[in-house]
Amino acid sequence: DVKVTQSSRYLVKRTGEKVFLECVQDMDHENMFWYRQDPGLGLRLIYFSYDVKMKEKGDIPEGYSVSREKKERFSLILESASTNQTSMYLCASTAPRAGGYTFGSGTRLTVV
Amino acid sequence: KNQVEQSPQSLIILEGKNCTLQCNYTVSPFSNLRWYKQDTGRGPVSLTIMTFSENTKSNGRYTATLDADTKQSSLHITASQLSDSASYICVVSLPLSGGYNKLIFGAGTRLAVHP
Repeated sequence: DVKVTQSSRYLVKRTGEKVFLECVQDMDHENMFWYRQDPGLGLRLIYFSYDVKMKEKGDIPEGYSVSREKKERFSLILESASTNQTSMYLCASTAPRAGGYTFGSGTRLTVV
Repeated sequence: KNQVEQSPQSLIILEGKNCTLQCNYTVSPFSNLRWYKQDTGRGPVSLTIMTFSENTKSNGRYTATLDADTKQSSLHITASQLSDSASYICVVSLPLSGGYNKLIFGAGTRLAVHP
């Protein structure tokens, strides 16, 4: 069974901390994505990557960066966490031109 | 503007009853339309995916329909079960150059099935 694994289900961080959210997929997918999900809003794309060491900004990249050093791992970085980054973060992966996206279980981040 | 609107925002039904969730979109062109189910605290899981040439797709008790002319889709759930309680998200794929797609997400319909 294919899997996208996010390292933490719940995280509580303080304002100003540097936060790392990790995502690993075991499907050899080229494409990986980071979304955030807030109540009443659809998932919004933060960053995506089509290949190792490649990254592209999504719709809301401000305050975030990413790292893709290996094909299976895509990390989201909050350089200096702020309270407005409290959200559910979802990682997804897919093969190029494939129909299906596989999502991780999500990381619920609270910044206090 | 490429948007996906879902209705209702939330819905409560009794176990065993049927229900229909609506999705209207303004995405153009589009590659495909997907319905996802998202349990509380979990990531979305795919239910159906339809291209513009398909007008219905079933997955067990879930049946999705698509009218590409009116840009509307619906998800019909038959004989609901308590485990159907979840958010249902409509997602439309916007084709980009190079053969890639951008997903446009609706805000979801939160369904609660009561015994």
